[in-house]
Amino acid sequence: DTGVSQDPRHKITKRGQNVTFRCDPISEHNRLYWYRQTLGQGPEFLTYFQNEAQLEKSRLLSDRFSAERPKGSFSTLEIQRTEQGDSAMYLCASSSAGGVEQYFGPGTRLTVT
Amino acid sequence: QKEVEQDPGPLSVPEGAIVSLNCTYSNSAFQYFMWYRQYSRKGPELLMYTYSSGNKEDGRFTAQVDKSSKYISLFIRDSQPSDSATYLCAMSPRPGGGADGLTFGKGTHLIIQP
Repeated sequence: DTGVSQDPRHKITKRGQNVTFRCDPISEHNRLYWYRQTLGQGPEFLTYFQNEAQLEKSRLLSDRFSAERPKGSFSTLEIQRTEQGDSAMYLCASSSAGGVEQYFGPGTRLTVT
Repeated sequence: QKEVEQDPGPLSVPEGAIVSLNCTYSNSAFQYFMWYRQYSRKGPELLMYTYSSGNKEDGRFTAQVDKSSKYISLFIRDSQPSDSATYLCAMSPRPGGGADGLTFGKGTHLIIQP
């Protein structure tokens, strides 16, 4: 069990470009979450997957954001036409069915210039 | 008013002191309460969780929940410089967060002075 992994760890992009992040959850966990964290704030919930089904999306997830979890394994989060306000740490977490604990990955830090 | 309030600090204490970190919340549906530790530019690391009201101890850490006051605390005994980090409280009405995820406080930046 290597924990939750995320790739890349840091992404610098120009405004208007598209970016995609990847999350690999703990292997036996069927629940996967994406959060966004800005400086001086706690993580904010973006979206939730149970297996391959995306069951919930926060109002923070604008139409420029899309997430997938094909085959219920890894997940991707894509941001289209990035804006400077998208600069943040994007965190992925996973938990087991019925488990209380959510385990977080190291995050992907996005900088939009 | 945010659902979870947490003083961002910084809170600076000398090594060996007892540290008290706190959060208040407004949503009475919250049943699961967690404390995470986050070092700079890293992901949050789960320290411990409690269900409903009561206390839970794990080594130097003790978590307390008072649902009647909507107030939770984390105590750190014999604090060490390596405890210097941001401490985030998080809570949820369902185990594991469920469809709404966890609701976090802003985090308290803790500094333990050697």
